[in-house]
Amino acid sequence: KNEVEQSPQNLTAQEGEFITINCSYSVGISALHWLQQHPGGGIVSLFMLSSGKKKHGRLIATINIQEKHSSLHITASHPRDSAVYICAVWGTGTASKLTFGTGTRLQVTL
Amino acid sequence: DTGVSQNPRHKITKRGQNVTFRCDPISEHNRLYWYRQTLGQGPEFLTYFQNEAQLEKSRLLSDRFSAERPKGSFSTLEIQRTEQGDSAMYLCASSLVVTSRIAFGSGTRLTVV
Repeated sequence: KNEVEQSPQNLTAQEGEFITINCSYSVGISALHWLQQHPGGGIVSLFMLSSGKKKHGRLIATINIQEKHSSLHITASHPRDSAVYICAVWGTGTASKLTFGTGTRLQVTL
Repeated sequence: DTGVSQNPRHKITKRGQNVTFRCDPISEHNRLYWYRQTLGQGPEFLTYFQNEAQLEKSRLLSDRFSAERPKGSFSTLEIQRTEQGDSAMYLCASSLVVTSRIAFGSGTRLTVV
């Protein structure tokens, strides 16, 4: 079992729909990233959070440390949101590294 | 600051050849990470440096793989005697300290034929 699990693996939505991507992790963490990867492109960090909720434009990220769960929400989805969304966690301790989920491939259609 | 730079962007090589990739991190970042990503998967950790010291290596990093960061700035990842299974995207990332924001390069896509 992976230390970081995401669901769903693939998601197709129509423009304007509200989208939720979930991330569960099994290890202690100091912070969690939500990342966006476009086809053939690099990875961009959308959010880094260790508690509560963050909002940036149409994107909202929440985390529940006790339940070891985080969600990424996209409101009023648009075709340009089509990408792979990856959850990644920083482990605890000074010698920690970023551990990634397998990603959620989102396709938003007109 | 131009972000994390990786070269080359693409590399096609014959099985058995050696390849070397380069990563230039954000200049003030002291941590540098190498990850490998295959199609449909999330990135897998290979190794990371703090300044010039290599602090951790994954079991995925066989003895054909070696990484260096000689002056604590740029890093190189070398794969010797490449195999078809080495075909993947090799991603480099850097950060200032652990749990700070992390920046990624665009990756080097390796194809072994």
